[in-house]
Amino acid sequence: AQSVAQPEDQVNVAEGNPLTVKCTYSVSGNPYLFWYVQYPNRGLQFLLKYITGDNLVKGSYGFEAEFNKSQTSFHLKKPSALVSDSALYFCAVKGTSGTYKYIFGTGTRLKVLA
Amino acid sequence: GAGVSQSPSNKVTEKGKDVELRCDPISGHTALYWYRQSLGQGLEFLIYFQGNSAPDKSGLPSDRFSAERTGGSVSTLTIQRTQQEDSAVYLCASSPRLAGGETQYFGPGTRLLVL
Repeated sequence: AQSVAQPEDQVNVAEGNPLTVKCTYSVSGNPYLFWYVQYPNRGLQFLLKYITGDNLVKGSYGFEAEFNKSQTSFHLKKPSALVSDSALYFCAVKGTSGTYKYIFGTGTRLKVLA
Repeated sequence: GAGVSQSPSNKVTEKGKDVELRCDPISGHTALYWYRQSLGQGLEFLIYFQGNSAPDKSGLPSDRFSAERTGGSVSTLTIQRTQQEDSAVYLCASSPRLAGGETQYFGPGTRLLVL
């Protein structure tokens, strides 16, 4: 069965510092991996995805994520956090065989402190 | 172009009443998904549709939940005899197709409160 784990409910980071939001997954076959962000009272917005190819994926707002097959991880990173990055972040996985479902993690709340 | 729209944005109902939630996907998107987001929880898959194929209803939590997609476009999620535990934000998403690593585009959601 497909699953996604976001081990941290909340991550606090000072503005200007690098940030990492963790995600690990379990899926049959090769995964499609996604990060979405949810700002207060708004829908989910797509940040970036890994389909194939280069393990380092760059996305919107300066975010990037690295696909690590051996560790089954897809951590979200940004070199320098902004207060405006404070939001709820979701990791999602979609398998390449057997189902068209996207499985989402429980979300990590990022708080960037000024 | 226009994104995914959902209506109503908020719905307050009494326990035992039926509710209908509507989703208008992005034009041309053949895949449509419904999710439920409860307070402090992630997104719970409910159902997906792809064109005229049979939907995957495996995420519907009970037989009180049903969904339709008419003409391959607009979708309606119906909850019969609502219970307080149905209170949540219901999100709809569409994508160009089911297969592959397609990006899902989400609507703003319908916030349902069952009193």
